[in-house]
This record gives sequence, structure tokens and C-alpha cells, in this order.
Amino acid sequence: GAGVSQSPSNKVTEKGKDVELRCDPISGHTALYWYRQSLGQGLEFLIYFQGNSAPDKSGLPSDRFSAERTGGSVSTLTIQRTQQEDSAVYLCASSLGGRGFTDTQYFGPGTRLTVL
Amino acid sequence: AQKITQTQPGMFVQEKEAVTLDCTYDTSDQSYGLFWYKQPSSGEMIFLIYQGSYDEQNATEGRYSLNFQKARKSANLVISASQLGDSAMYFCAMSSSGGYNKLIFGAGTRLAVHP
Repeated sequence: GAGVSQSPSNKVTEKGKDVELRCDPISGHTALYWYRQSLGQGLEFLIYFQGNSAPDKSGLPSDRFSAERTGGSVSTLTIQRTQQEDSAVYLCASSLGGRGFTDTQYFGPGTRLTVL
Repeated sequence: AQKITQTQPGMFVQEKEAVTLDCTYDTSDQSYGLFWYKQPSSGEMIFLIYQGSYDEQNATEGRYSLNFQKARKSANLVISASQLGDSAMYFCAMSSSGGYNKLIFGAGTRLAVHP
């Protein structure tokens, strides 16, 4: 597709279960970002990929959160042993990469995660 | 540390009028980018406009313009000729050369356009 896609669009899970969120970036974009949007915390950076490497994981809130990217394309964000405070909208963004601070990020529609 | 401040939680404007959404930022970096995004009720973040710290001219994209005042560290978004479809949340964000370009966001401003 032309834009960033994410799946699922909505995910309801029980506390303690693991979840996987998927992001398909814009074709040709080498940089990929995950953000989290919640009512109390606003928009927070989670992790950045350049190609398949993640040079910045500083925003991951705990070791229950992990992410990978394969083939320089699709990325998966995994949350283990989900907690109610993990409920949020998880947004993925991609950009061309290699353009420094001028690089514009384009966002997907997000995955709304609800932990019961 | 970098910070973005949007002091207007909510704004309203009459259709066809212009509106200014405020954004101030704090950074010690010399090289940075400023972005505005629109988030309608559907939830998707839509890129609107970009301004680089070294750009001398204010950025414009159609009905959107960015009033960049570097000395005051402000990057206000001006929407001209407001339309009903402009009703949404608007976020100001900043990237910097030292942060792998991760975006730091403000709290957002909810704009309501009235007919």
C-alpha cells in the first residue's frame, strides 16, 4: 500500500497475556519508529530502527516490551505479560532515513490495545 | 532536555476564518526540525508542515503556514480559511540532530471549527 499500515487495528487482551503488534512501513523507508499514545502520558517515543538495527531503545518502558524488524521492512512490537497500564494506542511511523533532523515521519493508523 | 509546550488545550474558530495554534520549544541543539501533525477523531496522525532550524523563510503548505520565531523559540501553526474538516487535535513536535530523530511531542490543541 501507499502508506504505513498496522495490524490489528484493535486488540483486547487479558492481563498477563502476550500480544504482538505489526507495522508495515512505506516501501523504501529505512527508518521506523514506534510511539505510544495514552491519555495520561500523551505521545511517547518507544524505539527507533534504522534498517534492522535498533540504535535507540530508550523509550521502552520495561523489559516486557521488545521489538524487532526483519528484512528492513516489517516490524513487530511484542508486549509480554500485559498489564492494565499498557492500554494505549500504539503508533508506528516510517521515514526515508539518512536525512538527519529534516526527515519527515509518516504515521500508520495505530493499534488500540485494551488490557482487561 | 528537549520540551514542546502547547498552552492551548482547546480552541475554536468560525468557518472561513484564520486561526493560530501556539507552540514553544526548548532545546540546546542548534540543528532541529519542527513539525505539525493533525489527528482527526479517526486517530491517524497526518503530517502537515515542517520547518528546519536553519530555514530563514517560514514554511507554507497550502492553507497551513508556520510562523517560526527562532529567538523566541516558537513555531506557531496558522491555518487560513478554516474548514469544518479542520476540526481535530493538532500536535507540535520536534526532532534533533542528537536524538536519532525521534519526535518529542507537545500535549496537543483540540481545534473546533464552527459553521
